[in-house]
Amino acid sequence: DTAVSQTPKYLVTQMGNDKSIKCEQNLGHDTMYWYKQDSKKFLKIMFSYNNKELIINETVPNRFSPKSPDKAHLNLHINSLELGDSAVYFCASSHSTSGWYNEQFFGPGTRLTVL
Amino acid sequence: SQQGEEDPQALSIQEGENATMNCSYKTSINNLQWYRQNSGRGLVHLILIRSNEREKHSGRLRVTLDTSKKSSSLLITASRAADTASYFCATGTSGNTPLVFGKGTRLSVIA
Repeated sequence: DTAVSQTPKYLVTQMGNDKSIKCEQNLGHDTMYWYKQDSKKFLKIMFSYNNKELIINETVPNRFSPKSPDKAHLNLHINSLELGDSAVYFCASSHSTSGWYNEQFFGPGTRLTVL
Repeated sequence: SQQGEEDPQALSIQEGENATMNCSYKTSINNLQWYRQNSGRGLVHLILIRSNEREKHSGRLRVTLDTSKKSSSLLITASRAADTASYFCATGTSGNTPLVFGKGTRLSVIA
């Protein structure tokens, strides 16, 4: 049983396109996150949602728009893709808004390549 | 801003040996967590140690925390080839401040 799943696993697209990455968790968690991992493996938080509400929005271009239709889903839409957006994007989830105090469960990642 | 810094960046050992990785951080924390990432996969939580704890064990893993030195270490005993992965520390502070991850230590265990 997959706990945190993401689709697609790989995404190759041209500069300027718009793309979406989907995330679902079946753990019953109420907090979900999006992280970006660059080529040097540095992992940085982008967004955090609790019960479908945005609670963390780090310095991310407004071309990135998260959407949480329900507690189990957090999707990431990216407009006007740029070369620098190439990275691996990870979705994660945890219990409660004090997720920083609890373990986070990560999805397998989506490798985005912008050409 | 980046918080945790792992040391060394890369470590190569023989199967059966112990592996020690260190993490240093800059500001006060509520907890420190260690994660493992196998190549091409997501991160897996290994262990969480709170700021009022000094040592924690989980199987072959031993984590220590020294808040006076703002540092933590992860010891993997009797390493196996399957332990080959990148290991990240992540620090948690209070409120809604997110976990901050270091750049990781790449561990290679040679059979």
